[in-house]
Amino acid sequence: ELKVEQNPLFLSMQEGKNYTIYCNYSTTSDRLYWYRQDPGKSLESLFVLLSNGAVKQEGRLMASLDTKARLSTLHITAAVHDLSATYFCAVGLMEYGNKLVFGAGTILRVKS
Amino acid sequence: DAGVIQSPRHEVTEMGQEVTLRCKPISGHNSLFWYRQTMMRGLELLIYFNNNVPIDDSGMPEDRFSAKMPNASFSTLKIQPSEPRDSAVYFCASSLRAINSPLHFGNGTRLTVT
Repeated sequence: ELKVEQNPLFLSMQEGKNYTIYCNYSTTSDRLYWYRQDPGKSLESLFVLLSNGAVKQEGRLMASLDTKARLSTLHITAAVHDLSATYFCAVGLMEYGNKLVFGAGTILRVKS
Repeated sequence: DAGVIQSPRHEVTEMGQEVTLRCKPISGHNSLFWYRQTMMRGLELLIYFNNNVPIDDSGMPEDRFSAKMPNASFSTLKIQPSEPRDSAVYFCASSLRAINSPLHFGNGTRLTVT
């Protein structure tokens, strides 16, 4: 059974600081996604990571994938208040079809 | 593109009543998913369809839940009879059946069963 663990589950940080969210998964996967969810809103796709060593960046967010360690990271650089949201990683395997298993989410609060 | 469209946005019903949630996927997407989100259990996959055919319904909690996809542009999730523990936000998502295609989520239906 594919399991996905995120940590931390809650992160409170000051503006301007850097931090990393971790996503571990239990079995081999061929794709990993990061999503953002604002309170009361839907989920928005941020990154798709498909191969070992993949790195993608968008603004102050950078995601990476280490398939050997079964680990993905979402790094936040110089946080700003607008980044406050819940961030989910989701892992899939084509032999499961398009099925994605989501982590519990990391609630990020950036304080001014 | 209008994105994934779900209706209603909010549903309040009494225990024992039938509830039907509706979803229109993005045109051209051939996979459709129903997820449920609660504080206690997070995001749970209930069922997903490829080309209108149910592929995996192992996440459907019990027989009170059923889902259909009569055509490529419409799906329903029905709960009959509803119970208070069914209260949650139900999301529909669609995607292309490709390894690099993310799921596109609708705005969700917030269901409250009293």
